Amino acid sequence: AQSVTQLGSHVSVSEGALVLLRCNYSSSVPPYLFWYVQYPNQGLQLLLKYTTGATLVKGINGFEAEFKKSETSFHLTKPSAHMSDAAEYFCASWGSNMLTFGGGTRLMVKP
Amino acid sequence: DGGITQSPKYLFRKEGQNVTLSCEQNLNHDAMYWYRQDPGQGLRLIYYSQIVNDFQKGDIAEGYSVSREKKESFPLTVTSAQKNPTAFYLCASTTDGTITYEQYFGPGTRLTVT
Repeated sequence: AQSVTQLGSHVSVSEGALVLLRCNYSSSVPPYLFWYVQYPNQGLQLLLKYTTGATLVKGINGFEAEFKKSETSFHLTKPSAHMSDAAEYFCASWGSNMLTFGGGTRLMVKP
Repeated sequence: DGGITQSPKYLFRKEGQNVTLSCEQNLNHDAMYWYRQDPGQGLRLIYYSQIVNDFQKGDIAEGYSVSREKKESFPLTVTSAQKNPTAFYLCASTTDGTITYEQYFGPGTRLTVT
């Protein structure tokens, strides 16, 4: 069975600081990996995805993630946080006809 | 515009009553999913359907039922057997046959049972 672990249920950064949200996965086959963002009382919106090819993936709103097979990681980064980035972020892995989600990380941005 | 519609946004029910949550998509997607989200937790899969008239249980199917009579629709019934039904429910869909398996989500229904 697949599993996805997000380290840190809450992350706080100052506006303009680097954002780093951590995600590790377990999979017996090459994974398809995703990052989603959720604003309060809304559905999930896809930020970016890794399927094959380039291991550095760029997404919307200035986010990017790097697939590192040797570390089984897919961490999400953004060079400079903006107040509008405050939300909950979910890492997910596709396998066996379904997505497996991590527990989520709530990002707080301080002015 | 194509997308996924969930209605209503907020739903209130008394304990012991069955309630049905609506999910409709006009994306021509084959597969549809229902997730439950509780505060501080990730999404947990309730049921999914890859084709019309077929569906499979997810991780937490007990106390829930679904139907898939049309490609566009995948309603979820929360029965009185579900012990803790108060939660945020999300519907999603994806196109089978693509290698990306990206899921598109609806806006969610917040169910409160008292």
